[in-house]
Amino acid sequence: ETGVTQSPTHLIKTRGQQVTLRCSSQSGHNTVSWYQQALGQGPQFIFQYYREEENGRGNFPPRFSGLQFPNYSSELNVNALELDDSALYLCAKSTAGVAETQYFGPGTRLLVL
Amino acid sequence: RKEVEQDPGPFNVPEGATVAFNCTYSNSASQSFFWYRQDCRKEPKLLMSVYSSGNEDGRFTAQLNRASQYISLLIRDSKLSDSATYLCVVPGQDRKLIWGLGTSLAVNP
Repeated sequence: ETGVTQSPTHLIKTRGQQVTLRCSSQSGHNTVSWYQQALGQGPQFIFQYYREEENGRGNFPPRFSGLQFPNYSSELNVNALELDDSALYLCAKSTAGVAETQYFGPGTRLLVL
Repeated sequence: RKEVEQDPGPFNVPEGATVAFNCTYSNSASQSFFWYRQDCRKEPKLLMSVYSSGNEDGRFTAQLNRASQYISLLIRDSKLSDSATYLCVVPGQDRKLIWGLGTSLAVNP
């Protein structure tokens, strides 16, 4: 419905491994935000990218990093996975100037064992 | 005060009931507010935006009280399909969005 897609839908990793999550959209939303949502919690802001540059960051360690590409697709990379990284990772697209209206993808469920 | 705080849930109401959720915020400079709906194991979806004193869309009414720094969401004539988690969202510093923990609503037949 939103035209925002994420891959993979589910993922299982072990502690210490690295993971890359991907996000793309059909339309040219030029701002992408990534959120982590643990079970029973609201989404926690990880960072935002605008025109391929990081445009703000939440309280997440440097092992959480991202990229935005010229076609506005985006990646979230997490290194040295920890058990507490198990969560739903949401990508949200928005248009600069109306950043508050977020169009979410279906999310990637990550389980770290 | 937490940046965004919502009524603890869950709310269990019968079909047809009227239910209201409150959300308090700490950033007095916030100009816009949002209610998102999240179904179980799904992504959040925008329900309503509030830029002035309030907003109404069918059975849903959002009201803003700037003096007391809270926003409310009122759902009239509850439907079974209204069962979901309702998330309050407030822009924080640098316009980044701060999300509440959500309030769970279960509408029972």
